[in-house]
Amino acid sequence: EDQVTQSPEALRLQEGESSSLNCSYTVSGLRGLFWYRQDPGKGPEFLFTLYSAGEEKEKERLKATLTKKESFLHITAPKPEDSATYLCAVQAGRNFNKFYFGSGTKLNVKP
Amino acid sequence: SQTIHQWPATLVQPVGSPLSLECTVEGTSNPNLYWYRQAAGRGLQLLFYSIGIGQISSEVPQNLSASRPQDRQFILSSKKLLLSDSGFYLCAWNSRGNTDTQYFGPGTRLTVL
Repeated sequence: EDQVTQSPEALRLQEGESSSLNCSYTVSGLRGLFWYRQDPGKGPEFLFTLYSAGEEKEKERLKATLTKKESFLHITAPKPEDSATYLCAVQAGRNFNKFYFGSGTKLNVKP
Repeated sequence: SQTIHQWPATLVQPVGSPLSLECTVEGTSNPNLYWYRQAAGRGLQLLFYSIGIGQISSEVPQNLSASRPQDRQFILSSKKLLLSDSGFYLCAWNSRGNTDTQYFGPGTRLTVL
């Protein structure tokens, strides 16, 4: 069964304290893995798409990496404005209209 | 650039009442359209997706239905709401020619009392 698991569920960091969020997946024929940021009461905001193992993408303090079984979202020197829930999703190759989402990691960065 | 709209932003409805949520996309043609529901602290659950006018695929059997009367309009409906229909409803789109990254609307918060 296709599945996406994110860990930890919640993460508290001090401003400047770097860390990583994990997204592990089991899917037949990965077509793409996606990271989103979601602020309370708002729709998810697209961050990255990764297609193949070994691929990396960066945006400001965020860097996403992909292996054959998991993806990491690395946050370097986070700021309070990075506080949000980060969602991971995968798209399977056999039905590319189906996207499987994890339950997210709620990040809280304290000043 | 593309923009996706949802309305209403919030809705409080009694049990047994009907529902209509609307989603429209601007700045693109022939998009794939999706309806998701997000329960508190949970991931997104795919409800329906559409690859064209009148073409709807249902992912979860329930008392909700979806329609696509126009190319860039997607409607989520119910004849009689249940308490369990409460949640945050999100509409999303992606390109027909590049069916990967989805882009989400601002969402509708539905509370059924």
